[in-house]
Amino acid sequence: RKEVEQDPGPFNVPEGATVAFNCTYSNSASQSFFWYRQDCRKEPKLLMSVYSSGNEDGRFTAQLNRASQYISLLIRDSKLSDSATYLCVIFSGTYKYIFGTGTRLKVLA
Amino acid sequence: DGGITQSPKYLFRKEGQNVTLSCEQNLNHDAMYWYRQDPGQGLRLIYYSQIVNDFQKGDIAEGYSVSREKKESFPLTVTSAQKNPTAFYLCASSIGLNIQYFGAGTRLSVL
Repeated sequence: RKEVEQDPGPFNVPEGATVAFNCTYSNSASQSFFWYRQDCRKEPKLLMSVYSSGNEDGRFTAQLNRASQYISLLIRDSKLSDSATYLCVIFSGTYKYIFGTGTRLKVLA
Repeated sequence: DGGITQSPKYLFRKEGQNVTLSCEQNLNHDAMYWYRQDPGQGLRLIYYSQIVNDFQKGDIAEGYSVSREKKESFPLTVTSAQKNPTAFYLCASSIGLNIQYFGAGTRLSVL
């Protein structure tokens, strides 16, 4: 089993739709969780950290389920500018960040 | 503006040649990292450094070398021993064990 798994997509959704991605992880001792956004041929940029209680930033909501070992990202009212690849990143300690392969989102006009 | 600067943006390597990728940060971060990204794969850790004059191998260190003589700088050398160097190389930094910030990356190709 991979340490971090994401559905590669692509998820093709119309503008204004709500879309959700999940990311599963195998190390139950994982400490910190993040969602990054990566545009084509660009560097990853932090979208949001993920907390146990769940957290929201505008149209974006992140959740952590430690019991089932997954994190999720919900995007409401999708915009064309949300089209990108979303990377799940898990910090497992000792400077070890594990990156998922990313989920590609295309928002269609 | 605080950030991480990588140069060059594009780099071409001839067979048997060593090339060096530059990474400079002015965020005053202690930890710095080098990753490699190949199409369809997640980022893989090449080397990381927690403090000046100290660095550790990551998962794919073979064929690469680094130095950390200054807090701000963490150059990566891709040696001729790296037989498949074509990839997108990303440098990152963090304060302790927290959020990582990335440079804009260097695309390395083989001539």
